[in-house]
Amino acid sequence: GAVVSQHPSRVICKSGTSVKIECRSLDFQATTMFWYRQFPKQSLMLMATSNEGSKATYEQGVEKDKFLINHASLTLSTLTVTSAHPEDSSFYICSAEGDFPGETQYFGPGTRLLVL
Amino acid sequence: KNQVEQSPQSLIILEGKNCTLQCNYTVSPFSNLRWYKQDTGRGPVSLTIMTFSENTKSNGRYTATLDADTKQSSLHITASQLSDSASYICVVNFGNEKLTFGTGTRLTIIP
Repeated sequence: GAVVSQHPSRVICKSGTSVKIECRSLDFQATTMFWYRQFPKQSLMLMATSNEGSKATYEQGVEKDKFLINHASLTLSTLTVTSAHPEDSSFYICSAEGDFPGETQYFGPGTRLLVL
Repeated sequence: KNQVEQSPQSLIILEGKNCTLQCNYTVSPFSNLRWYKQDTGRGPVSLTIMTFSENTKSNGRYTATLDADTKQSSLHITASQLSDSASYICVVNFGNEKLTFGTGTRLTIIP
């Protein structure tokens, strides 16, 4: 099946710093990528939808200036958490959707962010 | 009210036993319904995907069923193994590209 990778798998940073998370589709071109956040024992919450070459669409309540998304190519999308605070600590998961049968979204392994 | 609800919230069974997880949705028709397995600290992995017209789909020891009349889907796990311990998430694509996630069922298999 299709493979989606994320880097880094976990990151610890100081409050006020920025963190960049990469999401790559390894064996297919992803026209659309999605960024999710998951708090402990909760389901995934969609943060934003990014389409290659255009601005991301953010869900209600998600600050676009805080969570910067760049989808510069068909295989790479990045999420930058700017001026991170402890409440941003969470599990961030991306998924990618390509133009193949089934319209399946393939999820990355996730990135654990801890802001001290 | 969440459009996709799952039950039970958590389940503990003995290794080797079968179990069935439930998913209820409120809106139909839909584009497809998927079941994912999510290990702790990992991203979800697709188990099955069914279109609105399908009744059942199997993937090894996992069998998903769909009843459009009652707006229910179930995931049946046969001969459970310790590695089946995970969260199982029912996800519905209502046709607008965004996925609607269920609340999940936390399954624990004990030896």
